[in-house]
Amino acid sequence: EAQVTQNPRYLITVTGKKLTVTCSQNMNHEYMSWYRQDPGLGLRQIYYSMNVEVTDKGDVPEGYKVSRKEKRNFPLILESPSPNQTSLYFCASSSLRQGGNSPLHFGNGTRLTVT
Amino acid sequence: GEDVEQSLFLSVREGDSSVINCTYTDSSSTYLYWYKQEPGAGLQLLTYIFSNMDMKQDQRLTVLLNKKDKHLSLRIADTQTGDSAIYFCARGSSASKIIFGSGTRLSIRP
Repeated sequence: EAQVTQNPRYLITVTGKKLTVTCSQNMNHEYMSWYRQDPGLGLRQIYYSMNVEVTDKGDVPEGYKVSRKEKRNFPLILESPSPNQTSLYFCASSSLRQGGNSPLHFGNGTRLTVT
Repeated sequence: GEDVEQSLFLSVREGDSSVINCTYTDSSSTYLYWYKQEPGAGLQLLTYIFSNMDMKQDQRLTVLLNKKDKHLSLRIADTQTGDSAIYFCARGSSASKIIFGSGTRLSIRP
């Protein structure tokens, strides 16, 4: 089954304790992206990657890191989480096509609480 | 203002049609999308329309695009309880970016 898998689904942590949220897709997609969803703000892009070893900042990259060592995986790293990073996080992937975007496939989300 | 705007809430009676509206500012968008988010789940693509089209119909869903007014709408005919969800309008701004609205929460009254 074609899917984007994120882990964990729920995470509660304390300020400053490094954490990683994993994301894996089995569709051989070139493009992967991380979003955070906050009430009234919709989805905001954190980082994206157009292919292996190619990553770039989205709209809200501060406090986050990513890596793309393999095509299928795109982990999101919070080196020193803070309470304002409490949010619902989504990983998404798509193929790249000329002239426009391909629809995004989303994971089921990771709800992060930082106390 | 926001790049992609939609109202936050919509309530309709079961069996009626739901119309969710969206406006956007950038006319260079090539694709416009509607995504559905059910509780506890990620966003699922419902339908999309290319910017040179005016309308697209898919079973109970009708998408209308007014490019001159930069207005996109999603009509759900014969709305059912299973249609309760948050609906996101989105536009493609480049090969690397899709910009989402804040989402419209659709609730169904019996």
